Formats: sequence, structure tokens, C-alpha cells
Amino acid sequence: EVQLVESGGGLVQPGRSLRLSCTVSGFTFGDFTMSWVRQAPGKGLEWVGLIRSKTYGGVIQYAASVKGRFTISRDDSKSIAYLQMNTLKTEDTAVYYCTREKGTYGDRGSDHWGQGTLVTVSS
Amino acid sequence: QSVLTQPPSVSAAPGQKVTISCSGVSSNIGNNYVSWYQQLPGTAPKLLIYDNNERPSGIPDRFSGSKSGTSATLGITGLQTGDEADYYCETWDTSLSAGVFGGGTKLTVL
Repeated sequence: EVQLVESGGGLVQPGRSLRLSCTVSGFTFGDFTMSWVRQAPGKGLEWVGLIRSKTYGGVIQYAASVKGRFTISRDDSKSIAYLQMNTLKTEDTAVYYCTREKGTYGDRGSDHWGQGTLVTVSS
Repeated sequence: QSVLTQPPSVSAAPGQKVTISCSGVSSNIGNNYVSWYQQLPGTAPKLLIYDNNERPSGIPDRFSGSKSGTSATLGITGLQTGDEADYYCETWDTSLSAGVFGGGTKLTVL
């Protein structure tokens, strides 16, 4: 059974950092592109970024709203994807989901999602 | 303001059919696949449609997708109260080099 489990969320002050982890099981992690999607309270889904498999160069792409502040990485030996969030802003408050992409380029949908982890940025 | 435009809400009676539209431009819907997701209250989104009109295993054929030009449509037939949820379209935007979502549509089954 495919499982994605996010962890690392919590309450953090503006300007501080937080690292989220997405631990997966049930499939060969290294073969897949992984994405992060967030959802602010009461709002819609927002794409955050993705990281391709090493086979496709491990290319990373980000939404304009987080570029330069967030960093996505992966550890294929541990089957974990990471989202390092720096210089956090109140508008980053959201549930953050880790997803598995069906396609390599992020254009074929996310067929598996984690349960999400809540990040609250507040003083 | 979302890159893709969806109606905020739609409604229909049980057993009826409903369609949800998703409008974009050539750099996103016009030249890339569209996916659709269902998000039940308090849960993570679930993939309903990928590659414009394909259903993952386990998704009933009451759900269908189509695309024409720079617009896509999700259709749901035989509406059930359990279909009440938020529905989102998604695609890749080649100009932005980023994924993009619609603002979401809340379906009410009256």
C-alpha cells in the first residue's frame, strides 16, 4: 500500500525556519517525481514545487511565491522528501501536502497524497 | 487570484448531472494535460481524472473529464450526497514552469 506521511509542522514565528519531511512507503521512491502542495485555512490548493527523480536530473521547480525562500530536496536512500522553509511569512500558514506525481514533469496529476501537516506562522 | 478559473459553486439534485468548468490559456490548459481532484471536508484531495479524461482505478465512471482548447470540464452523473465536496482542476503552465490550480468549486447536492 502506498503511503505518504508528512511531519515537522507546527507553530513558528515570522522570519524563522521550519523543515517538513515526507516519508513514503509502498513504492520505489527514487522512481517518482514528488510535489508539495499547500492549502491556507479555508482557501484553495496552491502548488508549491516539485523535485524530479534522479533519472530526470533531480530537477527542482518552485512557485513564484516561495522561490528563494523554500528548498525542496530528497533522500532516495531513506525514501524521504523534504521542504525547507526559510524566512517564513504569516501568509505561509497552511496545511502542507506531499504528493506523488504520476508523470515526470508534474503534468499528469498527483495520484497519492499525504494527510498533510499544519504550519502556522504567527508571533 | 487563481491562474485557472472555476465557478465558485454548483448545485444539483440527487441523481442529476453536473458539470464544472475550468478555464485557462494556451500556456497551461491549451498545451498540457488537465487533472481533477475531489476534496471531501477535512480530508486530503483525491485524484479523479488525469490526462484530461482518464480515471484512476477505483474511480467510478460517473466521473468524466474532457478538454477543448483552453478549457476543461469535469462531469458527474448520478449525483449522490456523498459527492458533496470541493473540486479542483490542475495543469502545468509552461510559461510559469509551475503547476497551477483552479480556485476550486464547491458542489452541493440538494
